[in-house]
Amino acid sequence: GQQLNQSPQSMFIQEGEDVSMNCTSSSIFNTWLWYKQDPGEGPVLLIALYKAGELTSNGRLTAQFGITRKDSFLNISASIPSDVGIYFCAGGNAGNNRKLIWGLGTSLAVNP
Amino acid sequence: NAGVTQTPKFQVLKTGQSMTLQCAQDMNHEYMSWYRQDPGMGLRLIHYSVGAGITDQGEVPNGYNVSRSTTEDFPLRLLSAAPSQTSVYFCASSFQNYGYTFGSGTRLTVV
Repeated sequence: GQQLNQSPQSMFIQEGEDVSMNCTSSSIFNTWLWYKQDPGEGPVLLIALYKAGELTSNGRLTAQFGITRKDSFLNISASIPSDVGIYFCAGGNAGNNRKLIWGLGTSLAVNP
Repeated sequence: NAGVTQTPKFQVLKTGQSMTLQCAQDMNHEYMSWYRQDPGMGLRLIHYSVGAGITDQGEVPNGYNVSRSTTEDFPLRLLSAAPSQTSVYFCASSFQNYGYTFGSGTRLTVV
């Protein structure tokens, strides 16, 4: 099945550093979502983007909907230990019954 | 607490056994989905529903059945369990946008 290209696959950073990850697709989407999954839990929605070029923040998290509608970026500023987890991107299109196409995730480790 | 409730949290089955994974949401969401998550494979859609009485297949439907008799419930049935169905299963629901709320998962092992 179709999947999004999410990179990097994993990151190991020091507490306080900024983090950037991105997601690309060969197809266009009209919705981009970013989720975080903690160990043993289900994914939790962080940010939803509905318009090309849109830049949205949620605390220390900022995500952008690429102008080409084929990519999205997530930035985390001043990382803290609780940022550890797997971050997933997902894309969706109206008329597709709300089915999402998922990336394989970016695993983030933070060294205190 | 409002949200998506999945039961059981853990299950071990023998090959050939059948079982039902339960999923219930109390947010009056129209859209519900079942995913399986395997290492290195990400989240793969098994079946989904756009409302009570309406279901459709996702990416990996073989070996699974679903029904949606009410808005709240969306059970997933394994017809004859196989070791390849060892996975973590997530149920998710959404209202009119794409912001799916996920349950905490069912960890299934088939031996």
